[in-house]
Amino acid sequence: AQSVTQLDSHVSVSEGTPVLLRCNYSSSYSPSLFWYVQHPNKGLQLLLKYTSAATLVKGINGFEAEFKKSETSFHLTKPSAHMSDAAEYFCVVSGGGNQFYFGTGTSLTVIP
Amino acid sequence: NAGVTQTPKFQVLKTGQSMTLQCAQDMNHEYMSWYRQDPGMGLRLIHYSVGAGITDQGEVPNGYNVSRSTTEDFPLRLLSAAPSQTSVYFCASSYSIPQRGGRETQYFGPGTRLLVL
Repeated sequence: AQSVTQLDSHVSVSEGTPVLLRCNYSSSYSPSLFWYVQHPNKGLQLLLKYTSAATLVKGINGFEAEFKKSETSFHLTKPSAHMSDAAEYFCVVSGGGNQFYFGTGTSLTVIP
Repeated sequence: NAGVTQTPKFQVLKTGQSMTLQCAQDMNHEYMSWYRQDPGMGLRLIHYSVGAGITDQGEVPNGYNVSRSTTEDFPLRLLSAAPSQTSVYFCASSYSIPQRGGRETQYFGPGTRLLVL
């Protein structure tokens, strides 16, 4: 069975400060893990993905995530938040099955 | 490439009406899927298809039908709309099929916002 838990439904940071969005996963297989971003009234855009290569994955717009098998985590980080980062972020797990499993999302607010 | 396209963008239905949400992709992707997005619940899989002529149910299939007559198109049909189907619907596609070990990204359409009164 596979599942994803996003530990925070809402995160608020000041512009220029670091961003941390937390994701834990459960998978019976060697998983693929993804982070997607959704800006208001928009579709989903892929930020980055992990597919069993390097455990530190770099994505677009300065985001990166680290796959930690021992902690079953795939947290998303960015060193310095920008106003344009305000959006909904989804952690997704896939692998060994025929579905992508979405977390419930984390809403990121960036305070000027 | 247009990617994944969805029509309409917005729709208002009355309870009991039927309609079809259209989805098309021009990337020759095998795998296509439909999700609904509801507040606080992330995206939940409704139906998916692993190729033309092959469809299967996802997590929340009740009240919806799909067919896949071509690689490009994957319409979602609401047979008799209910207020509980008010949601945002996303279509997605990917090149390879996940259960074959594919690690490909899913590409999402812009969504259809549906309101059922």
